[in-house]
Amino acid sequence: NAGVIQTPRHKVTGKGQEATLWCEPISGHSAVFWYRQTIVQGLEFLTYFRNQAPIDDSGMPKERFSAQMPNQSHSTLKIQSTQPQDSAVYLCASSLDSWGGYAEQFFGPGTRLTVL
Amino acid sequence: DAKTTQPDSMESTEGETVHLPCSHATISGNEYIYWYRQVPLQGPEYVTHGLQQNTTNSMAFLAIASDRKSSTLILPHVSLRDAAVYHCILRVFCLQQGTGSKLSFGKGAKLTVSP
Repeated sequence: NAGVIQTPRHKVTGKGQEATLWCEPISGHSAVFWYRQTIVQGLEFLTYFRNQAPIDDSGMPKERFSAQMPNQSHSTLKIQSTQPQDSAVYLCASSLDSWGGYAEQFFGPGTRLTVL
Repeated sequence: DAKTTQPDSMESTEGETVHLPCSHATISGNEYIYWYRQVPLQGPEYVTHGLQQNTTNSMAFLAIASDRKSSTLILPHVSLRDAAVYHCILRVFCLQQGTGSKLSFGKGAKLTVSP
């Protein structure tokens, strides 16, 4: 079991460019979460899929951020027109099932996004 | 979810038993106490959780005060691999779809382990 895989591990973009982050959840896990982490804000929830369906995107900035899960083996987080304040570590996590929030989440190593 | 308070940092030596305190004076009856840890360049890792009773697993012992207003994560015989930032958080679980799944962390407590 390779765990949650995130690519790339590091990404540097210029202000205004687009960034796409990839996540491969643990095989058999039905829930996928996206978070971002900064020193100032700590860990912040962005969005959550269950069985590929979007369930809760209450943490997603309304503009420029979008997430998809086209199949059970990967999810993407896309940031359009990146801004310096988007610089953070973006973490993906998966769990067996998240109904009621009981199943534990296993995190990937994260993608460190730097916007110059 | 209610707020928790932890020391910014703690120091220890290999082989010692470490007690990491967490205060949660406004905890609600349906909130669980969860501990995660995180080392640099890696995502958070689940350590343990509890509601009212003390719990133990291969990683740690969680002692919960009888009034549930505080808890202590006890790490026996720490090694260098236990050096990490430890996060104490409260989570609510209910049957509503997706509710309670979201995690959020603050700064946590940085545990330093010396050889």
